[in-house]
Amino acid sequence: QVQLQESGPGLVKSSGTLSLTCAVSGGSVSSSNWWSWVRQAPGKGLEWIGEISDRGRSNYNPSLKGRAAISVDKAKNQFTLSLTSVTAADTAVYYCARDLVRGGDFWGQGRLVTVSS
Amino acid sequence: DIQMTQSPSTLSASVGDRITITCRASQSVTNFLAWYQQKPGKAPKLLIYKSSTLESGVPSRFIGSGSGTQFTLTITNLQPDDFATYHCQHYHTYPYTFGQGTKVEIK
Repeated sequence: QVQLQESGPGLVKSSGTLSLTCAVSGGSVSSSNWWSWVRQAPGKGLEWIGEISDRGRSNYNPSLKGRAAISVDKAKNQFTLSLTSVTAADTAVYYCARDLVRGGDFWGQGRLVTVSS
Repeated sequence: DIQMTQSPSTLSASVGDRITITCRASQSVTNFLAWYQQKPGKAPKLLIYKSSTLESGVPSRFIGSGSGTQFTLTITNLQPDDFATYHCQHYHTYPYTFGQGTKVEIK
């Protein structure tokens, strides 16, 4: 059974960079899968941020205007989200998930990140 | 971007009811459509993918159908564990987008 676990700071200062890591267990980031980040602002719907493949190919939501970057660390079996120039609008629960490209079958439990001024 | 619109936003129902949630896409997503269940404070759980394929371990009372721009999630014989929020998501093109969610509450 694949398990995903998000980690990282729960509080980020406005204009700073949000960095979250998703550790994968029971599976490998080197397998033929796509690894995604999704967020959910308080009381709002789900928003896809982007994804990365086992080969390092990535795709992002244009709504983030180039602020997001996802990388994969095969040695640590994890992948990371960086989101630059954050504002209060980036306050959300951030989820990592596997294979939204065919229906996300495994999700992390979520990490609340609050952007403070 | 393809916009996904769910209706209704909230649905009140009783245990044993049959309910239907609709998801409409602003353009065709063929059958690249998934449905998720989300409970408060929890991650979404995949119920159905490819419009009508039941994820392993999901009860057969969850039924997905549709193609193109109109999709439905039907839950027959609603159980207490089914009171939650349901989201649709297309994965036809980038960016993937979700519906705004439908909350199923106890009548």
